[in-house]
Amino acid sequence: AQSVTQLGSHVSVSEGALVLLRCNYSSSVPPYLFWYVQYPNQGLQLLLKYTSAATLVKGINGFEAEFKKSETSFHLTKPSAHMSDAAEYFCAVSPSGAGSYQLTFGKGTKLSVIP
Amino acid sequence: ETGVTQSPTHLIKTRGQQVTLRCSSQSGHNTVSWYQQALGQGPQFIFQYYREEENGRGNFPPRFSGLQFPNYSSELNVNALELDDSALYLCASSPNPQQQETQYFGPGTRLLVL
Repeated sequence: AQSVTQLGSHVSVSEGALVLLRCNYSSSVPPYLFWYVQYPNQGLQLLLKYTSAATLVKGINGFEAEFKKSETSFHLTKPSAHMSDAAEYFCAVSPSGAGSYQLTFGKGTKLSVIP
Repeated sequence: ETGVTQSPTHLIKTRGQQVTLRCSSQSGHNTVSWYQQALGQGPQFIFQYYREEENGRGNFPPRFSGLQFPNYSSELNVNALELDDSALYLCASSPNPQQQETQYFGPGTRLLVL
């Protein structure tokens, strides 16, 4: 069974500072990995995804993530935080082998940006 | 291009009642998945429909059931509501059921069970 662990339920950064949100996965085979963002009272929007092509994935709004198989990690980064980045971020995994097609999500990390 | 829409946006029910939630998938998408997101948690997979057939199910009891229609819109039905069913219910559509495919989420239906 696959699972996702997001370290830190709440992260605070100053505006202009580096954003680093951590995600580790557990899977018997390298999975597909996704980062979604959820603004208050809204659904989820895809930021980026890893589907076994380039290990460094660039997404929307200046975010990027690097797939590291040896560390089973897929951390999300952004060089300079903006006030509009304040939201909840979810890492999710989908199996790459045989099996049902479903996303397994982490518990989320709420990002606060301090002016 | 119209995105994923869900109705209603909010709903209040009492324990033991039944509820139906609706989802219209994005144009061109034939796959719909439903997720339950409890307060402070990540979404949990309920089930997926592909071309009107159930294509996978998560760890939810049979009182959670669904339908997909020929136009690929979908319904989630929950019978015998329990207090723990209070959550945000998210529908997501995708062009096909491939595991690497992006799922596009609707805004959700917030259900409160009293």
